[in-house]
Amino acid sequence: DVKVTQSSRYLVKRTGEKVFLECVQDMDHENMFWYRQDPGLGLRLIYFSYDVKMKEKGDIPEGYSVSREKKERFSLILESASTNQTSMYLCASSFTLRASGRVEGAGELFFGEGSRLTVL
Amino acid sequence: GESVGLHLPTLSVQEGDNSIINCAYSNSASDYFIWYKQESGKGPQFIIDIRSNMDKRQGQRVTVLLNKTVKHLSLQIAATQPGDSAVYFCAENILSDSWGKLQFGAGTQVVVTP
Repeated sequence: DVKVTQSSRYLVKRTGEKVFLECVQDMDHENMFWYRQDPGLGLRLIYFSYDVKMKEKGDIPEGYSVSREKKERFSLILESASTNQTSMYLCASSFTLRASGRVEGAGELFFGEGSRLTVL
Repeated sequence: GESVGLHLPTLSVQEGDNSIINCAYSNSASDYFIWYKQESGKGPQFIIDIRSNMDKRQGQRVTVLLNKTVKHLSLQIAATQPGDSAVYFCAENILSDSWGKLQFGAGTQVVVTP
């Protein structure tokens, strides 16, 4: 079975703290993603990575950074946590869809169980 | 039962009935669509996908219908079971771009009643 593992299910941090959220996948997927999920807003993409050391901004990258030093690991970093970053954070991975040798995009996403972060 | 996505975020359906979950997607250029199911306390799970060159695709107890003319996607669940209670998300993607990214809807809560 595909497994995407997020290191912490629940975290409580204080405003201004640096926060690391770790994610590991065991399917040798090229692509990894960080989303945040808030009631009524669905899933919003923060950052994604389509290869080691590569990263691309998603829809809401402000206040976040990421690191992908190894293929299986994708970390989300909050340099200085703020209360509006209280949320559920979901990591996902996927293979790359290709057709006729051309890269199309991400295939189905496999999600972790989520990390619920509360910033006080 | 039938829902209209964001305008009716909760769908209540009786066990054994068929469920229809609707999604109005936003971008006429989208060419790849996925339905996800998210149970309480868990991450979303893939249910079924469909490309824009199809208008119907069937899986086990689920059928996805795509109407590109009105930018509408639906998920039909046959003989709904208690284990189908969850939030269901549709997601759209534009594979024809250099690198597509999924955009998710806000979700529909399905509640299965005995």
